[in-house]
This record gives sequence, C-alpha cells and structure tokens, in this order.
Amino acid sequence: AQTVTQSQPEMSVQEAETVTLSCTYDTSESDYYLFWYKQPPSRQMILVIRQEAYKQQNATENRFSVNFQKAAKSFSLKISDSQLGDAAMYFCAYRRGGNQFYFGTGTSLTVIP
Amino acid sequence: GAGVSQSPSNKVTEKGKDVELRCDPISGHTALYWYRQRLGQGLEFLIYFQGNSAPDKSGLPSDRFSAERTGESVSTLTIQRTQQEDSAVYLCASSFGQNHEQYFGPGTRLTVT
Repeated sequence: AQTVTQSQPEMSVQEAETVTLSCTYDTSESDYYLFWYKQPPSRQMILVIRQEAYKQQNATENRFSVNFQKAAKSFSLKISDSQLGDAAMYFCAYRRGGNQFYFGTGTSLTVIP
Repeated sequence: GAGVSQSPSNKVTEKGKDVELRCDPISGHTALYWYRQRLGQGLEFLIYFQGNSAPDKSGLPSDRFSAERTGESVSTLTIQRTQQEDSAVYLCASSFGQNHEQYFGPGTRLTVT
C-alpha cells in the first residue's frame, strides 16, 4: 500500500527566512506524481507545487521549490523568504497512474513576524 | 471563473439522521473526488468519479456512505444513520482530463451530536 509520511507535525520559521518541510513516501511504482498542498484556516486546499517522478529536475514555483530524491523516496518542500501568508497546514500527496491520491497527515507551519 | 463550491458550509445533525452533502465542480472538469478530513488528520479518499465511467468507491468506509454524480455536474455524498465518528470536514475536488491538478472546494464541516 502506498503511504505518505510527514514526520514534522509542526514547524515554525521567522519571517523572511527559509524553511524545509519533509515528506517521504512508500511505493513500488516507477511513474507517479507528487504534490504539496497548502490548507489555510479557510480550509481551502491550494496546490503549491507538483513533481512528475520521471523528471529529474526539481520543480520550482517562485519562492517554493522541492528536493525530489527518487531513490530515497523523499520529497521535501523549501519555502524561501517566508511570508506571514505562508502560515497554513501543508500536505504532501502522492498519485500514481490511477485515481487515488494519498495524503500525509500534514505539517502546521507558523510564521513568526 | 467559479471554483468548486460545496454546500452546506457547516452541518450539525443528530446521531442516526441522514445527511446529504453537495459539490458543484468546476465546469468542464470530468473528474470529481470526495475526501474526508478528521480533526488534525490528513485527507482520506472516499470516492472518485470520471466522466461516465463506473465510480471508484474503494475508499467508502461503510455501506452507510454513498455518492452520486449526474454526468459531469453536481455530486452528492449521502451518509445514512450518521454516527459520531462521521464528524469531519468533507472535501470535494475536481480536475480536468490529463491535468492532474485537483481544485478543492472549501469543504463541509459535519458535526454529529
């Protein structure tokens, strides 16, 4: 069974600093997709970034980037120049070539002014 | 354009009653997902619809849960004889074709007393 593990229930970062959120997953597949979603208090899940497993290059979206280590089954999210609006729950998710997404239990990020 | 909408935003019901939760996906999105999110937990897949194909119901936790979708439009998730453990936020998401990004609604918070 596919599982996604986020080992950091809570993280905090000083405004303008950089923080890295960890995610590991378990799969026997070679082709799959990985995602980071942000869920602010409004409950609206927002896609932050995604990575196709067949791509070696790490995905980047403005201040957000990932460190994708396929052999280690690791998919961490780096947030640079953290802003107060980055405070939220962050969920790592895995999707293989089927219908189901598998989500981790989330990391609550606090941004300290 | 309009995003995914869900209604009601909040629902309080008595144990044993039936509830219906509604999801309006983004127009043109062929895929629709339902998830359950218990307090402090990640997202738990419930059911997936893709066009006119048979839905993937593998995530439904019991036969008290059912969902319907008419074509590529509105979906309803029905929980019969609600139990206190059904209390959670129920999230709906839709996506279009080969684009693997899911767009989430704001969720329905269900409280069973």
